[in-house]
This record gives sequence, structure tokens and C-alpha cells, in this order.
Amino acid sequence: DAGVIQSPRHEVTEMGQEVTLRCKPISGHDYLFWYRQTMMRGLELLIYFNNNVPIDDSGMPEDRFSAKMPNASFSTLKIQPSEPRDSAVYFCASSLAGGRTDTQYFGPGTRLTVL
Amino acid sequence: GNSVTQMEGPVTLSEEAFLTINCTYTATGYPSLFWYVQYPGEGLQLLLKATKADDKGSNKGFEATYRKETTSFHLEKGSVQVSDSAVYFCALIYAGGTSYGKLTFGQGTILTVHP
Repeated sequence: DAGVIQSPRHEVTEMGQEVTLRCKPISGHDYLFWYRQTMMRGLELLIYFNNNVPIDDSGMPEDRFSAKMPNASFSTLKIQPSEPRDSAVYFCASSLAGGRTDTQYFGPGTRLTVL
Repeated sequence: GNSVTQMEGPVTLSEEAFLTINCTYTATGYPSLFWYVQYPGEGLQLLLKATKADDKGSNKGFEATYRKETTSFHLEKGSVQVSDSAVYFCALIYAGGTSYGKLTFGQGTILTVHP
């Protein structure tokens, strides 16, 4: 079975540019999560969706960040405009259900570098 | 709020040594507890989990027991291999209130195993 797929794997951009990260969750999973990993802050949940609907975006750092899930098999995380402090690894994860016993399966991540 | 504290690393061991990585948590109610592993350049993979008190999760020779009385979930392995070199994350999910379905991670512990 295909796992969670993320693209691109690496992204290098200049400050002020728009960045779009993409995620395809595991088929049949109803929950999708976006995380950010940095040395300073570790792993942080940015936003999560249930059945394509955003449920909790309290982790999104600023209005420059936005996420969408137009259908059950695709989600995007957009940063506009990007800043150097956005440099991090961004992970997408999905789970069958969002309960306390459900395992979240992670994609390989997108390493973003903003110059 | 919910939080996870891991022992600080990095941890450096020789092959076949015994491994313990300490993890304690703070949470309201009864969370599920997880250990994830991240190999270099890859996403996070679930290593093991436990969903209620006194449960023992195990996988690939790793074990951890959910200790409610000490709010701990320490990871152990009797004989480590070079291939176990990775970053290990302790995490919890508390499915209640605004924390529903959110994975809260510890800061991660880097393990290096030498031949």
C-alpha cells in the first residue's frame, strides 16, 4: 500500500515568494494533519482536517500560512509570502480516525529552505 | 496543557548494549502513548504504542510500558544494533476538548550506536 505522499521533497525559495506544499493521504483515512519540525520548537501541529473540513488551525503561526483540502485525496499548505524563519521540515500525516487510539502515518516530509 | 518530556540526548551506545530512553508526560484524563522513530532523511514511523494503563507496547525488540502511577512510558531494548541509530520521539494523544486527536511530541532523543 502506498503511504502518505508529499511533494516536493525539497524546496528552496527566496524570501517573499509563494510556496505550496502538497500531500496525498492514505486512501480511506478521514483525518489529515500538517506538522512542522524545527530545531528550536521540535514537532508542532499546524492544522488538521476531518473529512476535508479544517477542524483546528490554532497551530498555524500567521495569516501567511493557509491550508486547504479540496478532496479526500489531496491537501495543500501554502505560505505567502515566505520568510527565512519558515525554513523547516513540513510533514503531512493521516489517520483512519482521529481518536486517542488511532495511529497517525507520516509522509517523508518536505524540507523547505527560504533564503 | 498536555506535554511530554524526554531524556536529553544524544545517547551513544556500543552495539549490543542495553537502551533506555526515559519519557514522562502530563495530561488530563487518559491519553494514549506512542513512540515514533525517525531515521535520517525520512519521516516518522510508529514504533509502538499503548492505549491504557499497564499496557506494554512492543516492536522490533523495543518495549515500553504505560505507567499511570508514574506518568511514564520509558523505551527499552535489550541489545541495540547499529541500524537502530535514529531519533526517537515519545508522544501522546489525548482525545478530549480542544486537544482531540492531536499528537503532542517530546523533543526527541538522538541515538547513535557504534559497532
